[in-house]
Amino acid sequence: GEDVEQSLFLSVREGDSSVINCTYTDSSSTYLYWYKQEPGAGLQLLTYIFSNMDMKQDQRLTVLLNKKDKHLSLRIADTQTGDSAIYFCAESIGTDKLIFGTGTRLQVFP
Amino acid sequence: EPEVTQTPSHQVTQMGQEVILRCVPISNHLYFYWYRQILGQKVEFLVSFYNNEISEKSEIFDDQFSVERPDGSNFTLKIRSTKLEDSAMYFCASSRDPGANVLTFGAGSRLTVL
Repeated sequence: GEDVEQSLFLSVREGDSSVINCTYTDSSSTYLYWYKQEPGAGLQLLTYIFSNMDMKQDQRLTVLLNKKDKHLSLRIADTQTGDSAIYFCAESIGTDKLIFGTGTRLQVFP
Repeated sequence: EPEVTQTPSHQVTQMGQEVILRCVPISNHLYFYWYRQILGQKVEFLVSFYNNEISEKSEIFDDQFSVERPDGSNFTLKIRSTKLEDSAMYFCASSRDPGANVLTFGAGSRLTVL
């Protein structure tokens, strides 16, 4: 069935790069997404990638997609304390729903 | 920047009571969704709504749940006869078109069933 998995925690030093990984099972995904959730807030779309792309860069964010291995990653360059949040990977199945991962809690320390 | 607003932010109810969670989607969006997140678990799809009818629903969305767009701005989720396991954060979302499925989420309504 459809499943999206992420590691639960990542801790990085301010200024370093963060890499958050995600694996998914459904090869028919059309789009893959990264959402950010800060405490007490909703899910904020950070970026998304179409399934026929390998990479997408948007300022400090780089998304890599390995469709063969069904692996998606989000790299945050020059990580700041304001980047501390939970990051959710999600895949789009058809047009109506997203399947979310468990979320990775990123902690940035000075 | 336009946003999806949800009320209430937190509701506490007794088991068996009915609850209505309200959402105001972004005004030019046509597709509406409810998701929920039980504490410590994944965000799960509940239902999608377009053109005044449900377009898809998950197994979770049983007869206990219903959605409605009573006027041009609100989108509501009703939970009849709440159970303890309905305690969760409920997120409303909307999108302008489903092509890229770019959803804008609200901040969520936390439901606590005692």
